[in-house]
Amino acid sequence: DIQMTQSPASLSASIGDRVTITCRASQHINTYLNWYQQKPGKAPKLLISVATSLQSGVPPTFSGNGSGTDFILTISSVRPEDFATYYCQQSYDTPPTFGGGTKVEMK
Amino acid sequence: EVQLVQSGAEVKKPGESLKISCQTSGYDFTNYWIAWLRQMPEKGPEWIGITYPGDSDTRYNPSFQGHVTISADKSINTAYLQWNSVKASDTAIYYCARRVRYSVGWDWFDPWGQGTLVTVSS
Repeated sequence: DIQMTQSPASLSASIGDRVTITCRASQHINTYLNWYQQKPGKAPKLLISVATSLQSGVPPTFSGNGSGTDFILTISSVRPEDFATYYCQQSYDTPPTFGGGTKVEMK
Repeated sequence: EVQLVQSGAEVKKPGESLKISCQTSGYDFTNYWIAWLRQMPEKGPEWIGITYPGDSDTRYNPSFQGHVTISADKSINTAYLQWNSVKASDTAIYYCARRVRYSVGWDWFDPWGQGTLVTVSS
């Protein structure tokens, strides 16, 4: 199975900060990488597909980048509703696999 | 609006059988794969398997194969995940999710059900 490693596992941010989350795949996955946001007690919600494509309704403060093995999720200016856990997921191979998550907490 | 509504929380004893459901609406149930995923506390989701209600094609993660069964009833737009004999290690939140696939790699889960908490304890 392809292993997905996220860093950091957690970070603290203030409203308006720029936040960067990294996801690394154990092998090349082209751009077949999706990002999800999960709030406590809720299901994951798709934010970005195929590395860079923002889903409808997701604010443009979110962006994704990368290809091959290294990917980045950026929040350009953190809002109160962005405090959550973020997961990357590869769709290059079966089974699809997820990273361990990055928890964005309020400083 | 596409919606996936899962059955309620379950508490079982080891060795008991269990079947949880995922009722869908707002799209053609027979034209999309439905996935089941497990999430343990403070961990990322794990893919259990998928089923295609249109022809009942079903595939499993080898890590779960033989321990769970995935099925679907297209007459009521509902997918199922079942166990013949649960174990304490099955305690987790289980999600169903619609798989959206346009081509190889253009493949993601959207939306997800609200989750079903399964607790297995003697």
